[in-house]
Amino acid sequence: EAAVTQSPRSKVAVTGGKVTLSCHQTNNHDYMYWYRQDTGHGLRLIHYSYVADSTEKGDIPDGYKASRPSQENFSLILELASLSQTAVYFCASSPGTFSQNTLYFGAGTRLSVL
Amino acid sequence: AQKVTQTQTSISVVEKTTVTMDCVYETRDSSYFLFWYKQTASGEIVFLIRQDSYKKENATVGHYSLNFQKPKSSIGLIITATQIEDSAVYFCAMRPDTNAYKVIFGKGTHLHVLP
Repeated sequence: EAAVTQSPRSKVAVTGGKVTLSCHQTNNHDYMYWYRQDTGHGLRLIHYSYVADSTEKGDIPDGYKASRPSQENFSLILELASLSQTAVYFCASSPGTFSQNTLYFGAGTRLSVL
Repeated sequence: AQKVTQTQTSISVVEKTTVTMDCVYETRDSSYFLFWYKQTASGEIVFLIRQDSYKKENATVGHYSLNFQKPKSSIGLIITATQIEDSAVYFCAMRPDTNAYKVIFGKGTHLHVLP
C-alpha cells in the first residue's frame, strides 16, 4: 500500500486559475515536503513542514503556498497558475530525526498549465 | 554553498556488467548524510542506499554499493550484475546536518541497461 498518496495524479489548469495539489501520508512522519521536477533540473524543494499548522519555504517558493492542517495532510496551492508552473510535483515524507531521514515519495502529480 | 553535482547525464551498459555513477557534493558541514534514489520509468521515486559521513565503511544493499571518498567529496553508486530493470534515473542527494529538513538533489543520471 502506498504510504504517501497524491491527488490528483494529473491536472490541466488554465493560466490565472487556482490549483490545489493534495498529499496524504500514513507513515506517521512529522516531516513533509513538496518538490518540483523539471527536465534537466532534478528535484527542487518548494515548501516543507515539520509540524502541523506550520510550513517553511524551500528553495523555490515564489508562486506557491503550502498548508499543513494535520500531520497526515500537506497541500500545495497555486493561487494564480502560470505557464512556468507546468511540471511534475512530488510530495514526500520523512521521520526527520537525525538517524532516520530517508524521504518517502508519492507517485507524483503531472500539472499542465495552459 | 551546498550543492550536489552529477556530471553524467546518461550512461548505457550491457546487462550483467558493473556500472558506476558519479556524484560530488559541496557542504561546509562536518556531518552530513548522502543518499541515492531511483526514479523508474513510471515516475516512482524510491530510496536505494545511504551513507552517513561519519562512517568509514562503504554502504552496501543488495547489488548496490557506494564508493565514499570523503576527501574528494565524492559518493559514487556502484551497481553490480546490472539487470534490464535497473534502467532508470538515479539521483544523488545530500542532507546537511545543520538543516535537518533540507535535502539537496543532483540532476540525475539516466542509466540504460541493454540486453
